[in-house]
Amino acid sequence: SQQGEEDPQALSIQEGENATMNCSYKTSINNLQWYRQNSGRGLVHLILIRSNEREKHSGRLRVTLDTSKKSSSLLITASRAADTASYFCATDTGRRALTFGSGTRLQVQP
Amino acid sequence: EAEVAQSPRYKITEKSQAVAFWCDPISGHATLYWYRQILGQGPELLVQFQDESVVDDSQLPKDRFSAERLKGVDSTLKIQPAELGDSAMYLCASKGLAGPTDTQYFGPGTRLTVL
Repeated sequence: SQQGEEDPQALSIQEGENATMNCSYKTSINNLQWYRQNSGRGLVHLILIRSNEREKHSGRLRVTLDTSKKSSSLLITASRAADTASYFCATDTGRRALTFGSGTRLQVQP
Repeated sequence: EAEVAQSPRYKITEKSQAVAFWCDPISGHATLYWYRQILGQGPELLVQFQDESVVDDSQLPKDRFSAERLKGVDSTLKIQPAELGDSAMYLCASKGLAGPTDTQYFGPGTRLTVL
């Protein structure tokens, strides 16, 4: 079963705009990770945020984590056509492998 | 940069046939995972290895799926017999260090189509 649920399921924006994706999960976690998947390809790790962290930045990515609400958000600033992909959140509870959400499909129009 | 290798990249088979997928993790990575990803969904764990030992195969349909990692390096996932519902992307991932803060590195996947 999937622990995380991403919102929205699909998002279409213009190049240069910001894209925000949200993830909700159900159980306590050690960390939460975001991955990107280009069509028909494997997953690429983007960023990891630990349960005791509230915000983390990496280049144009900004991730927030609210453990009281069991939610996280991924912000991609100044989006590019190359950012077109599916984005997944994944939770690490320390008990087994990562549990992935159902993903947000991002389309960035040039 | 070291990568996880998988083969084949694509496999088309008829139902009731046997199929096998191969994964070579990043050198030195002790933990290896097989995930199945149905189109439009996130990956779901099938089996997790620590070296050559299975540590979690609770979601592996053991009546038709088997996985091995004999020497604790590369791994093979087998389906026999394949069913229509097995059509999916099969992803292999590996991880190098213990603890909760380490990253899983994914291979390109094998896209299976069962006709």
